[in-house]
Amino acid sequence: DQQVKQNSPSLSVQEGRISILNCDYTNSMFDYFLWYKKYPAEGPTFLISISSIKDKNEDGRFTVFLNKSAKHLSLHIVPSQPGDSAVYFCAASRSTTSGTYKYIFGTGTRLKVLA
Amino acid sequence: EAQVTQNPRYLITVTGKKLTVTCSQNMNHEYMSWYRQDPGLGLRQIYYSMNVEVTDKGDVPEGYKVSRKEKRNFPLILESPSPNQTSLYFCASSLLGDWRGWDSPLHFGNGTRLTVT
Repeated sequence: DQQVKQNSPSLSVQEGRISILNCDYTNSMFDYFLWYKKYPAEGPTFLISISSIKDKNEDGRFTVFLNKSAKHLSLHIVPSQPGDSAVYFCAASRSTTSGTYKYIFGTGTRLKVLA
Repeated sequence: EAQVTQNPRYLITVTGKKLTVTCSQNMNHEYMSWYRQDPGLGLRQIYYSMNVEVTDKGDVPEGYKVSRKEKRNFPLILESPSPNQTSLYFCASSLLGDWRGWDSPLHFGNGTRLTVT
């Protein structure tokens, strides 16, 4: 049961344009959402996050939008740069019934920014 | 430098030969976790630990063991590796403790590529 889904395995965007990466989730108990960027041969790097009490968070060229009613979040990168070419993972976290905490990841979207 | 360190980076072994992948963090983080990354399946959680001596199963725990005797270390143990455990493994940690913090992202190590023949 894939609780966090990234339905687009890949995306190509021209340099300078906007990149929009999408993520859907199924569990309404998720209350913290994160985006990670991953280059080959490196571990995922934290990019930006948003809590469920907000619907938007910005950090420089990166903006994350959360639509709780649709159980959907998106990452906007404006303007896109060739160095943004990487695999992007969305993740969601929640408390469990036993009082622990879990982070669940999507399958990733490979972004290629064309110069 | 704040970091999560995994060793080794690459490991080739044979079926049934016990192995340990080490993970250490220097950020005094409460929470630590192991993930495996496989093509088309993303990052799947193997085990996690909320604090010393507290560990829980993730989504794919079969064939793995962990221990958390010290806050900074969280080794992953494969008692009898099998070829289906060939994967890329990541250790991660976060500040999250017994409180819910909105600013508790996971910090990842650089990964261990394991091949079991």
